[in-house]
Amino acid sequence: SQQGEEDPQALSIQEGENATMNCSYKTSINNLQWYRQNSGRGLVHLILIRSNEREKHSGRLRVTLDTSKKSSSLLITASRAADTASYFCATAQNTGFQKLVFGTGTRLLVSP
Amino acid sequence: NAGVTQTPKFRVLKTGQSMTLLCAQDMNHEYMYWYRQDPGMGLRLIHYSVGEGTTAKGEVPDGYNVSRLKKQNFLLGLESAAPSQTSVYFCASSPRDPTYNEQFFGPGTRLTVL
Repeated sequence: SQQGEEDPQALSIQEGENATMNCSYKTSINNLQWYRQNSGRGLVHLILIRSNEREKHSGRLRVTLDTSKKSSSLLITASRAADTASYFCATAQNTGFQKLVFGTGTRLLVSP
Repeated sequence: NAGVTQTPKFRVLKTGQSMTLLCAQDMNHEYMYWYRQDPGMGLRLIHYSVGEGTTAKGEVPDGYNVSRLKKQNFLLGLESAAPSQTSVYFCASSPRDPTYNEQFFGPGTRLTVL
């Protein structure tokens, strides 16, 4: 069964706007990861946030984690057409060996 | 480094046929995984391996078998393909280091079973 549910399922914005995607999960976790998937390609790791962290930044990405609500959000600032992709959250209950459980993904379309 | 590669990229099978998907990684990773991706379902773990010679079942293992005879290779087999196995299959790998939790994915194999 899926651990994560993502919201919205699809998001369409203009270049320069910010994009926010949300992920909710069901069980306690060790860390939560976000991946990007371009059409027809494999997944690429974007950022990882551990259960004892509340916010993390990487370039134009900002991730928050609220373990009390079992939710996370991914913010992409100043979006570019090249950010068009599907974004997935994945949760891990352990360190080391990663048995990730993926969400259903958000399809982001950034128009020029 | 090539990273994670998958062979073949596309395949069409008839119901009942068998095939093997090959995954290879050149990063000396201990852990390897096979996922399937279906529309609206995200990725689901089929089988995984924590080291050479070891395999274990994931979330959706029925109808699949795997082998990890060499550390760098992880094979996924379909003995008797069914239309329900039409999907995109992804292989991934990750290192043993517990401080490094990222998984590295291959480009995928698109399989259609008629």
